[in-house]
Amino acid sequence: SYVLTQPPSLSVAPRQTARITCGGNNIGSKSVHWYQQKPGQAPVLVVYDDSDRPSGIPERFSGSNSGHTATLTISRVEAGDEADYYCQVWDTSSDHVVFGGGTKLTVL
Amino acid sequence: QVQLVQSGTEVKRPGSSVKVSCKPSEGILSSFAITWVRRAPGQGLEWIGGIIPIFGTPSYAQKFQGRVTITMDESTNRAYMELSSLRSEDTAVYYCARWSSGSFSSALDIWGQGALVTVSS
Repeated sequence: SYVLTQPPSLSVAPRQTARITCGGNNIGSKSVHWYQQKPGQAPVLVVYDDSDRPSGIPERFSGSNSGHTATLTISRVEAGDEADYYCQVWDTSSDHVVFGGGTKLTVL
Repeated sequence: QVQLVQSGTEVKRPGSSVKVSCKPSEGILSSFAITWVRRAPGQGLEWIGGIIPIFGTPSYAQKFQGRVTITMDESTNRAYMELSSLRSEDTAVYYCARWSSGSFSSALDIWGQGALVTVSS
């Protein structure tokens, strides 16, 4: 089955840039989506199709995808960005939705 | 904007079944492609399965094959996820979500508020 690998945690100071990676075999050939989940809340879509932003998501959130790594970049990090972040793809080999293990972003 | 509204908290005994529902705040559910995801305590998001009405047949994660049934009911305008043979490891918050463009590879753009299912003797 297809596996997506994320770092379990990342700590960033306010106003700095956070880069959350999502590794997968030839992930560059797939559409990657990113979700933010805060404690006690449902996930929220922040980037879809590698690099597009839903309406209402700040421009500070951006994405890229190439080769074996997709990246969610959060510029000028704010305290309110502290959350768990998940990458997700559709694996055509298994016909499964696949999530990465999640990255807990801490704002110092 | 349309929302997905789920049924409430459930407490179940091991070996029993639970059925969680999901309905749109407006519109016809059969125009939605719906998937189900859970998050157990201390764990990440986990896909359970989903259904795209134009295809008809649900798709299930291999882990839950034989134990889960996902349906849509036009008469109640609700989607349902029923999980049987419950065990303590099934304790989790269960979410329904919409596939944004009606295809399996599209993003999940609208999520329900979640339904807590606790399995305990």
